[in-house]
Amino acid sequence: GAVVSQHPSRVICKSGTSVKIECRSLDFQATTMFWYRQFPKQSLMLMATSNEGSKATYEQGVEKDKFLINHASLTLSTLTVTSAHPEDSSFYICSARGVGTGRLQSSGNTIYFGEGSWLTVV
Amino acid sequence: GQQLNQSPQSMFIQEGEDVSMNCTSSSIFNTWLWYKQEPGEGPVLLIALYKAGELTSNGRLTAQFGITRKDSFLNISASIPSDVGIYFCAGLGTSGSRLTFGEGTQLTVNP
Repeated sequence: GAVVSQHPSRVICKSGTSVKIECRSLDFQATTMFWYRQFPKQSLMLMATSNEGSKATYEQGVEKDKFLINHASLTLSTLTVTSAHPEDSSFYICSARGVGTGRLQSSGNTIYFGEGSWLTVV
Repeated sequence: GQQLNQSPQSMFIQEGEDVSMNCTSSSIFNTWLWYKQEPGEGPVLLIALYKAGELTSNGRLTAQFGITRKDSFLNISASIPSDVGIYFCAGLGTSGSRLTFGEGTQLTVNP
């Protein structure tokens, strides 16, 4: 089963509004979470890295005021796309890395991905 | 920055054939991960490799962590139609904080 859950899987919002995407680790404590953006038929593009309790580190060219990332707990990170525009429409994927329990005890250096969230801005 | 070269970009094969794809890097990685992504979904972890020289299997999939720590390959034996998808290699560098992705290999299996 899934070890990283992402919600919502699909969202449509109006231009100018904000939308929040959640990423939860299910079987482990995610000390680090990553947010990616993926365009059709392309590889994943890292947007930012967030460590629990500290500010996210954004990749060059990613606007931190537009893509707000909060990693307030060891199992939850959120990405908020503020004042969304049609060009923000994309597939957003989170991933998580951390210390596992049970079947994921060796997961410290393994990164699991969420199911992704399709954002359409109209 | 770190770059991963993944090849081939795409493969069209017949059901039952074996498949091989690989990734090479100019930098050393401590961990190699192989993912499969189907349309509209997030990548699903197939195999994780943690040590140079490590050879790991997961069903019909076999992957190896190159001795130089700069390459990895993934083999799929006796392919079936549900193997269709995009396969990504990814490496975790010495800092351990960032996953670098290959460009992906699009696999098509004809029944």
